[in-house]
Amino acid sequence: ILNVEQSPQSLHVQEGDSTNFTCSFPSSNFYALHWYRWETAKSPEALFVMTLNGDEKKKGRISATLNTKEGYSYLYIKGSQPEDSATYLCALGPGGTSYGKLTFGQGTILTVHP
Amino acid sequence: NAGVTQTPKFRVLKTGQSMTLLCAQDMNHEYMYWYRQDPGMGLRLIHYSVGEGTTAKGEVPDGYNVSRLKKQNFLLGLESAAPSQTSVYFCASSYFPYEQYFGPGTRLTVT
Repeated sequence: ILNVEQSPQSLHVQEGDSTNFTCSFPSSNFYALHWYRWETAKSPEALFVMTLNGDEKKKGRISATLNTKEGYSYLYIKGSQPEDSATYLCALGPGGTSYGKLTFGQGTILTVHP
Repeated sequence: NAGVTQTPKFRVLKTGQSMTLLCAQDMNHEYMYWYRQDPGMGLRLIHYSVGEGTTAKGEVPDGYNVSRLKKQNFLLGLESAAPSQTSVYFCASSYFPYEQYFGPGTRLTVT
């Protein structure tokens, strides 16, 4: 079983603050790293899928970077808004015969206070 | 497009009863997945399918069976429900290796 760790577990910020969280994963047998946003009472929605070392992706105020050699990804939110409050999940897609199987981290719960 | 739908949304079972959860997708995705979500445990993969007629075990397959007779449908069966199977079940689909699209979830309680 692959170990995907996210930190911090939870985060409280004020509206307008910028913030970031980390996803750590074993750097061997890497294929893809996914980020999902999960609002309460809804389903997870994909933010990014990254496959190449050094990848940087951006969607509005949210961006992500990937370092496959050292086994981590950062998710950044610039100028947090209350509607950014959600659980942010990362998931590792391994290569080889385990392709298709994502291993999710426990998530980082973000609360943005107005 | 409806995306990914799940039936039913809620269910209460007694220990030992059986049931089938249905997942349907209209995006022509090859890959489909069943996850369970428990407090403090995150999303854990139960079974998945890489195409019509294929299934494979995930991280926590015991006590569950699946079938993918049609490309658009992925069924999850509980033959003899146990209280440990109380959970929220999510289905997802994707074009591998791209992002997964999740259904709304089924909340199952086994008493």
